Amino acid sequence: QKEVEQNSGPLSVPEGAIASLNCTYSDRGSQSFFWYRQYSGKSPELIMFIYSNGDKEDGRFTAQLNKASQYVSLLIRDSQPSDSATYLCAVIFSGGYQKVTFGTGTKLQVIP
Amino acid sequence: ETGVTQTPRHLVMGMTNKKSLKCEQHLGHNAMYWYKQSAKKPLELMFVYNFKEQTENNSVPSRFSPECPNSSHLFLHLHTLQPEDSALYLCASSQDMTSGGAGDTQYFGPGTRLTVL
Repeated sequence: QKEVEQNSGPLSVPEGAIASLNCTYSDRGSQSFFWYRQYSGKSPELIMFIYSNGDKEDGRFTAQLNKASQYVSLLIRDSQPSDSATYLCAVIFSGGYQKVTFGTGTKLQVIP
Repeated sequence: ETGVTQTPRHLVMGMTNKKSLKCEQHLGHNAMYWYKQSAKKPLELMFVYNFKEQTENNSVPSRFSPECPNSSHLFLHLHTLQPEDSALYLCASSQDMTSGGAGDTQYFGPGTRLTVL
């Protein structure tokens, strides 16, 4: 059973702080990793994807991948109240056709 | 219309009804997906189609029947559902189904909120 685990939260951070969201996965051969943001009552929207070990930055967002430790994280700098949402980690496991598994998501609350 | 659209956005049905959910993508993608999202559960992948061929059926009950007439359209036919099938049903598409690369990125529609009475 391929698994993707996230702390459900809620994770509360003050406005302007750095929010750190973590995700671990079970399959060492996993290849593609995605972070989606989902506002309440809305569908998931892609924030970032990462394939290689290390950091990938896009504006206020930084994804970090460590394949040896099997975790991927998302850092949100200068957190804003509009960042309050559930953040879903998705992993495409190795082998054959795309087999994507989502974590349960971490709810982030940015306090003004 | 752009992106991925879904209709209807809300659906209430009885357990003996038959209804269909429709998804259309305007992105020129070749792969389409149906997901179920229930409260406090992870997104559950139900069906996957690649170039109109079904490649995944994650042990979904037969009361859910997918149809993919072409790469742009995907349907989910519903019949004799149960109250526990009430959930948000999401459609997504991606460029292709190769491993790795930006083509794996899935784009979601707004979803259909289904309530089974």
